[in-house]
Amino acid sequence: SAVISQKPSRDICQRGTSLTIQCQVDSQVTMMFWYRQQPGQSLTLIATANQGSEATYESGFVIDKFPISRPNLTFSTLTVSNMSPEDSSIYLCSVRGHQNAEAFFGQGTRLTVV
Amino acid sequence: QKEVEQNSGPLSVPEGAIASLNCTYSDRGSQSFFWYRQYSGKSPELIMSIYSNGDKEDGRFTAQLNKASQYVSLLIRDSQPSDSATYLCAVNFSGGYNKLIFGAGTRLAVHP
Repeated sequence: SAVISQKPSRDICQRGTSLTIQCQVDSQVTMMFWYRQQPGQSLTLIATANQGSEATYESGFVIDKFPISRPNLTFSTLTVSNMSPEDSSIYLCSVRGHQNAEAFFGQGTRLTVV
Repeated sequence: QKEVEQNSGPLSVPEGAIASLNCTYSDRGSQSFFWYRQYSGKSPELIMSIYSNGDKEDGRFTAQLNKASQYVSLLIRDSQPSDSATYLCAVNFSGGYNKLIFGAGTRLAVHP
């Protein structure tokens, strides 16, 4: 399985500001995804990070709020923009090697917006 | 209808017993299914994957899949207190982008 490094591991941010989360994988992977896990809830897919093109967002998530970059096959960033307390959550980077493969997760970023 | 459904629990079992976790899904075209374990404050870790109807065993864990009934389950034999965690069912939905959709998770508590 790939080694996935996600940072920061946690942050406390002021409302109205933005935070960029980085995800670095130790090998090239076909698919990268970003999930959100709100307190006591399961994982909700935010978007699929596409290498060299715009991310594919799930219903309820928009590019202006969650811009995503994926410049190559080992790195992606998720930005949480214009944050509000409702954005307080754990954000997880996930990778899959191919269609139908299992997913592996980074350590997560615990975000608190005050 | 939720895309992937699990009983939220908590499911409480005594140490040494069999824990049975269940999951149903809505996409009849799904081909791959996964069980993850998540300890509090940690990210999910893969326990089992299953792709064909029937049973798949790995140590104390057995995954069972019935595509006709759109049902997947996880059995944990000889449950240990260290198995206490939230178990997430994940289904690879057909269609574009091969996204994994997660159930709400079942919280398992194994008591001595």
